[in-house]
Amino acid sequence: DTAVSQTPKYLVTQMGNDKSIKCEQNLGHDTMYWYKQDSKKFLKIMFSYNNKELIINETVPNRFSPKSPDKAHLNLHINSLELGDSAVYFCASRDIDTGELFFGEGSRLTVL
Amino acid sequence: AQSVTQPDIHITVSEGASLELRCNYSYGATPYLFWYVQSPGQGLQLLLKYFSGDTLVQGIKGFEAEFKRSQSSFNLRKPSVHWSDAAEYFCAVDSDSWGKLQFGAGTQVVVTP
Repeated sequence: DTAVSQTPKYLVTQMGNDKSIKCEQNLGHDTMYWYKQDSKKFLKIMFSYNNKELIINETVPNRFSPKSPDKAHLNLHINSLELGDSAVYFCASRDIDTGELFFGEGSRLTVL
Repeated sequence: AQSVTQPDIHITVSEGASLELRCNYSYGATPYLFWYVQSPGQGLQLLLKYFSGDTLVQGIKGFEAEFKRSQSSFNLRKPSVHWSDAAEYFCAVDSDSWGKLQFGAGTQVVVTP
C-alpha cells in the first residue's frame, strides 16, 4: 500500500486551462502539505492543512486553491495555468510524533 | 534571513569511497534538521533527522550526520558509497516545528564504477 499517493503522476496541458491534482494518505496523519519543486529542483512549501484546516499559506498566487475534504485527502486545484506553473508538485503528510514528513512520488505538471 | 545552504551542487564519487555532503543553516535557534534523498523520478525519502540529544545521528542506508551547533552545520556522511546511492540529496530545516520545511538547493551525487 502506498502511504502517500498522488494522481495524476504526469499532467500535460495548455496555458489557461484549469487542472487538479489529488493526494491521499493512509497513514492516519492529521497534517498534509503541498510542496512545489521547480526545474532547478528547488523545493518550496505552498500549503499545509491540519485536520482539514488551512494552517500554512505561503505566498502563492490565488489561482492555486487547496481543498481538504477530510484529513486523509488534500487536493490542489490550479486555475488559468501559466507556463511558470510547470513543476513537480509533491504532497506530504506529517507524523506529529516523529516530525517526519512522508512524501508522495510527485505530480509532474507541464504547461504548454 | 533564514536560510539553508548546500554549497556543493554536484559531487562525483567512486563506488566504495566515502561521501560527505555539507549543509549549513542560518536560524536563530536550533531548528529540527533533516536529510532527504530523491532518486530520479521519485519522491523524497527521509534518511535521518536531528531534534535534540546526541549530535551524531544514524540513519537508513548506512548514512550518518553530525550536528555542530558552533558551525551551524549538519553534514551527511557515508563511509562507503554504493552505486544505488546516486541521487539528489536535500538538507532541510523545520524552524517552527510545524513541518514547514525549508530545503537547501540539493546536491546531486554521481557514483562512478
